[in-house]
Amino acid sequence: ETGVTQSPTHLIKTRGQQVTLRCSSQSGHNTVSWYQQALGQGPQFIFQYYREEENGRGNFPPRFSGLQFPNYSSELNVNALELDDSALYLCASSAVGGETQYFGPGTRLLVL
Amino acid sequence: DQQVKQNSPSLSVQEGRISILNCDYTNSMFDYFLWYKKYPAEGPTFLISISSIKDKNEDGRFTVFLNKSAKHLSLHIVPSQPGDSAVYFCAAPKGAGGTSYGKLTFGQGTILTVHP
Repeated sequence: ETGVTQSPTHLIKTRGQQVTLRCSSQSGHNTVSWYQQALGQGPQFIFQYYREEENGRGNFPPRFSGLQFPNYSSELNVNALELDDSALYLCASSAVGGETQYFGPGTRLLVL
Repeated sequence: DQQVKQNSPSLSVQEGRISILNCDYTNSMFDYFLWYKKYPAEGPTFLISISSIKDKNEDGRFTVFLNKSAKHLSLHIVPSQPGDSAVYFCAAPKGAGGTSYGKLTFGQGTILTVHP
């Protein structure tokens, strides 16, 4: 059984640019959630996708957007990058009703 | 608004002793709590959970206690082992329903170091 994978592992961008982060869910999982973890903080919920539609969003502006594909993989897009967007971005997959989320190793984004 | 708080950024214990990690919450609507463990360069992994209908849940060396009136939970690790050294997060799902477990509010985390 393949776990949750994320790409790329590290990324450096400049302010104002756009970035796309990718996540492959664990096999059989149809729900994917994205989190932002700033240094020294806990992960913060960005949004969740279920059956290819957004199913809940945290306190993040619209320049954070996402997609979920029929194979349940997902993308996180961030437009107009700001310095404060520098963080570890985690995706997690789960089966509906399953209490356990399985996290990927994350993508570390640095915005200069 | 930090609805889940871990006020101790770090904890250091000796191998074989008990580790106690604490977590407080402010949202009385939370009725389920989870603990996750995170090693460097890895994503968080689920450790143990507790429903608000219980005040204790045990799994091997790990026990979680819930005090609803105080809005406080704690994770006990006995005996502590060097491999337990990691960052520990408490978390609670937002809302209800089958997908709510994927919408977690996390605490800031506590770095546990277990010395041999």
